[in-house]
Amino acid sequence: EAGVTQFPSHSVIEKGQTVTLRCDPISGHDNLYWYRRVMGKEIKFLLHFVKESKQDESGMPNNRFLAERTGGTYSTLKVQPAELEDSGVYFCASSLPFNYGYTFGSGTRLTVV
Amino acid sequence: QKEVEQNSGPLSVPEGAIASLNCTYSDRGSQSFFWYRQYSGKSPELIMSIYSNGDKEDGRFTAQLNKASQYVSLLIRDSQPSDSATYLCAVSNGNNRLAFGKGNQVVVIP
Repeated sequence: EAGVTQFPSHSVIEKGQTVTLRCDPISGHDNLYWYRRVMGKEIKFLLHFVKESKQDESGMPNNRFLAERTGGTYSTLKVQPAELEDSGVYFCASSLPFNYGYTFGSGTRLTVV
Repeated sequence: QKEVEQNSGPLSVPEGAIASLNCTYSDRGSQSFFWYRQYSGKSPELIMSIYSNGDKEDGRFTAQLNKASQYVSLLIRDSQPSDSATYLCAVSNGNNRLAFGKGNQVVVIP
């Protein structure tokens, strides 16, 4: 079984630019989550999809962040325009319904300079 | 007050010894409790889940939960160098989101 795939693994962009992160969950996992770890801080929840619907986006920092999940399959997280404080590691995770046993992807390390 | 607190590390233990990690949480409504292991540069990997008070054992790992004290712990018996990693405590109150602690780094010394 393929795991959760994220790309790119690293991205360095300038302040004000746009970056799009992608996550491919495990096939059949309806639940998809985005989390972020800013340096020195704990991993924080961003949002939760059930299939293509946003179930909970209360963790999204502001309207510069836009997440989509096309057809209930892969998901993208766009940051536009990026700010310095957006730097961190963005994790995607997926799970079966009613299952907290998330499988995490290896993350995208975003550096905004 | 942080949702999930883990005491600061790193924790150094000799090979073969017991590593003990602690975690406290603030939300009394929390229902599900997890320990993840994360190797440097890798994704968090679920190693233990516990939902009711008491102990749960899985191989060399034992999770302990005390809801009255809002406390969850992880014991690693017969520590091996391959156990060297950061251990993350995570808690859910049933709303499909996890609150994580900052993590504890464990270093097993051969």
